[in-house]
Amino acid sequence: KAGVTQTPRYLIKTRGQQVTLSCSPISGHRSVSWYQQTPGQGLQFLFEYFSETQRNKGNFPGRFSGRQFSNSRSEMNVSTLELGDSALYLCASRGGLQGGTAAFFGQGTRLTVV
Amino acid sequence: DQQVKQNSPSLSVQEGRISILNCDYTNSMFDYFLWYKKYPAEGPTFLISISSIKDKNEDGRFTVFLNKSAKHLSLHIVPSQPGDSAVYFCAASAPSFGNEKLTFGTGTRLTIIP
Repeated sequence: KAGVTQTPRYLIKTRGQQVTLSCSPISGHRSVSWYQQTPGQGLQFLFEYFSETQRNKGNFPGRFSGRQFSNSRSEMNVSTLELGDSALYLCASRGGLQGGTAAFFGQGTRLTVV
Repeated sequence: DQQVKQNSPSLSVQEGRISILNCDYTNSMFDYFLWYKKYPAEGPTFLISISSIKDKNEDGRFTVFLNKSAKHLSLHIVPSQPGDSAVYFCAASAPSFGNEKLTFGTGTRLTIIP
C-alpha cells in the first residue's frame, strides 16, 4: 500500500502571497489531519477532515484553511503569508472514525516564507 | 499549556542496552497514546500505541508502559540499535470523547552509541 503523499516537498513563497499544499491519504483512509512543525512550537494540530467535513480545528488564525475532496484527498491553504508561517507542514491519515487508531504521516512540505 | 511533556530533550545509550524514553501528561481525558520516531526533514513514523484500558503493549523490540494514576508513559527499546538514533515524540488523544486530534510532546533526541 502506498503511504501518505504530500506535494510539493519544498516551497518558497514571499510574504503576502498565498499557498496551497496537497495531501493524498493512504488508500481506503478517510480521515486526514494537518499539523505544523516549527522549532519553537513543536508539532501543532491544524485541522482534521473526515468525509469532506471538518471535524476538529486547532488554534490557528483564519488564514489557515483546508478542504477534503470526495476521494479523501485534502488541500491546505494559507493566505497572506507571514514569515512565521515558515515550517514543515505534515499531513496524516487514519483508517476510520473508530476511536484509538494510529495516524500515519507523510513526508511533509517544507514551506519557507521570505 | 503543555499537556504532554517530555522532560528529557536528549538521551544517549550504548548499543545493545535498553533505551527508556519518558512522557507525562496532564489531561485526564487522554485515553489513547502513541509513540512516533522522526528523522530530520521527514514525517513522523508510527512506532507503537496503547489504549488506556491496558498498561503494557509490546511490538518486537518496542514496549510501551502506561501508568494512568501517575499520568506517565514510557517507551522501552531493547536492544538499542544504531538505526534507533532519532527524535522520539509521544502523543496523546481523547477518542472516547470524540477528539482524535494528537497532542504531541516536545520530543527526546535519542543517540545510540556504537
